[in-house]
Amino acid sequence: DAGVTQSPTHLIKTRGQQVTLRCSPKSGHDTVSWYQQALGQGPQFIFQYYEEEERQRGNFPDRFSGHQFPNYSSELNVNALLLGDSALYLCASSFGLAGGILGETQYFGPGTRLLVL
Amino acid sequence: DQQVKQNSPSLSVQEGRISILNCDYTNSMFDYFLWYKKYPAEGPTFLISISSIKDKNEDGRFTVFLNKSAKHLSLHIVPSQPGDSAVYFCAARANRDDKIIFGKGTRLHILP
Repeated sequence: DAGVTQSPTHLIKTRGQQVTLRCSPKSGHDTVSWYQQALGQGPQFIFQYYEEEERQRGNFPDRFSGHQFPNYSSELNVNALLLGDSALYLCASSFGLAGGILGETQYFGPGTRLLVL
Repeated sequence: DQQVKQNSPSLSVQEGRISILNCDYTNSMFDYFLWYKKYPAEGPTFLISISSIKDKNEDGRFTVFLNKSAKHLSLHIVPSQPGDSAVYFCAARANRDDKIIFGKGTRLHILP
């Protein structure tokens, strides 16, 4: 049973570019949450997707957007990249909307490390 | 504004001894607290949690203590093992449907 998978593992972009990160949830999970972990910081909640809709959002600008597909996989898009967007981007999956926020039912992927030059 | 604070960036403990990781919070609306463990190149994994109606929760070698009046919680690992070397994140949630707020983490080194 594959856990949460994310692609790519590493990515280098330049300022102003756009990036798309991908996440496949753990089998049986239907909710996906995205987090940004900057160097030396803890993960910060970006947004959560359930039934192909954004259900909750953290304090991130509109440059950060997402999508969830019918197979529950998800994408995180970041436009007009800034140097400060360099971070580890974590995807977490869970079952059900309420369970999506209950920390203990969330399974995290290994993350995508994004470097913006 | 850090609502969840882990003031010790790192901690070294001898194998077999007790490891105590501390966490302070500022938001009195937090009602649920969690600890996560993270190894390099892996995502965080859930370790143990505690509801604000309790002051202690135990799971094997791991015990979390909550002092609501001091807005402080701690994770005790007894006895510490080499595999416990990792980054530990303290996290909190204000209500059932709210997002989880993480601290900056504490890197635990278990010394042989």
